[in-house]
Amino acid sequence: DTGVSQDPRHKITKRGQNVTFRCDPISEHNRLYWYRQTLGQGPEFLTYFQNEAQLEKSRLLSDRFSAERPKGSFSTLEIQRTEQGDSAMYLCASSKLAGVYNEQFFGPGTRLTVL
Amino acid sequence: GENVEQHPSTLSVQEGDSAVIKCTYSDSASNYFPWYKQELGKGPQLIIDIRSNVGEKKDQRIAVTLNKTAKHFSLHITETQPEDSAVYFCAATPRDDKIIFGKGTRLHILP
Repeated sequence: DTGVSQDPRHKITKRGQNVTFRCDPISEHNRLYWYRQTLGQGPEFLTYFQNEAQLEKSRLLSDRFSAERPKGSFSTLEIQRTEQGDSAMYLCASSKLAGVYNEQFFGPGTRLTVL
Repeated sequence: GENVEQHPSTLSVQEGDSAVIKCTYSDSASNYFPWYKQELGKGPQLIIDIRSNVGEKKDQRIAVTLNKTAKHFSLHITETQPEDSAVYFCAATPRDDKIIFGKGTRLHILP
């Protein structure tokens, strides 16, 4: 399978714990995006990378959230001191910068439940 | 910033009938409008898109229309089938680096 993959698919944690999610984009895609989706809502943009550079962060991304893409390939999203409001589906997408319109391909998501 | 409104939130149609989902956007700089289908437990998948220099696009049973003046765009699915049941999201791209999604329409195809 050459699509976007995310790990783990599900994560249950207790409030106050730290969690880390991983995203592997489609090979040769130089852009990688993180979105958050809560129940009954559309995905909301969190941040994106072009190669290893993090170019934009949404105001939704509090100081407890950090994302990295150290070698311009896979990315990690870490949430420190989780809160119940962090419960959501975290989606990763990737695209290849090749023109004005760059289709984003989404992974299956990581569903986080904070107890 | 860009805001995308989507209606209806839920839509039930008889198998074989047509389904229409409508969206509006606020940022006149948006120039790319993708539509995504999301099935349970999966990430959104692009089903069709339209660019601002085009008024209509069709792909088999799916068509999209765009009215840039009114900032309206819509999705039309004809001859609906059970496998069309899913949540559909419209979206607008004010810049090349992010997608602004609507809240989604849950489409039920009734037997």
